[in-house]
Amino acid sequence: DTGVSQNPRHKITKRGQNVTFRCDPISEHNRLYWYRQTLGQGPEFLTYFQNEAQLEKSRLLSDRFSAERPKGSFSTLEIQRTEQGDSAMYLCASSSQIMGEWHGYTFGSGTRLTVV
Amino acid sequence: RKEVEQDPGPFNVPEGATVAFNCTYSNSASQSFFWYRQDCRKEPKLLMSVYSSGNEDGRFTAQLNRASQYISLLIRDSKLSDSATYLCVVNGNTGFQKLVFGTGTRLLVSP
Repeated sequence: DTGVSQNPRHKITKRGQNVTFRCDPISEHNRLYWYRQTLGQGPEFLTYFQNEAQLEKSRLLSDRFSAERPKGSFSTLEIQRTEQGDSAMYLCASSSQIMGEWHGYTFGSGTRLTVV
Repeated sequence: RKEVEQDPGPFNVPEGATVAFNCTYSNSASQSFFWYRQDCRKEPKLLMSVYSSGNEDGRFTAQLNRASQYISLLIRDSKLSDSATYLCVVNGNTGFQKLVFGTGTRLLVSP
């Protein structure tokens, strides 16, 4: 397992189109997170899964956004009717606890979305 | 007010210099603290965790002051390869480790 994998690396889409991103976390990590990062800002939390359950969603996640993690392994993030303001880097991260200790996230390389 | 505040920089320093970054956080219930490093157009990577007793990893020293809600990172003997953005990160929620990131401080180390 080489870490958290995200696909595609880059996506250019026309405004109004739907896009879907995929994240494959580290296999033994039961927690998966989606973040969004725009230029000059730090990553902002979007949503969190523990196994297959989506337990938390940010107010940033409008109705056009949906995330799933159907079998508690990979996750998808879909954006419907994309807008130019959706242009950002979408980062996936996973984590686990070892002996009650939490050791931070491992991020994937991200999917850079450009809406034209 | 942002939950985690950092000076965006950039900090321009010569090789070999010592540089310090500071960060403040607003949520007094925060439990865990980290510094992440992010290279241009790459993902953030964990640099080090920050403990109340202070901790050191080679040329990097991190300090936490819970009373003042203040976190620092000191880099000694700067290398060209240290040029990056340094993100101050706080875990404000003990339920599922939601991380809150500062905007980052950009460091440029020149020859």
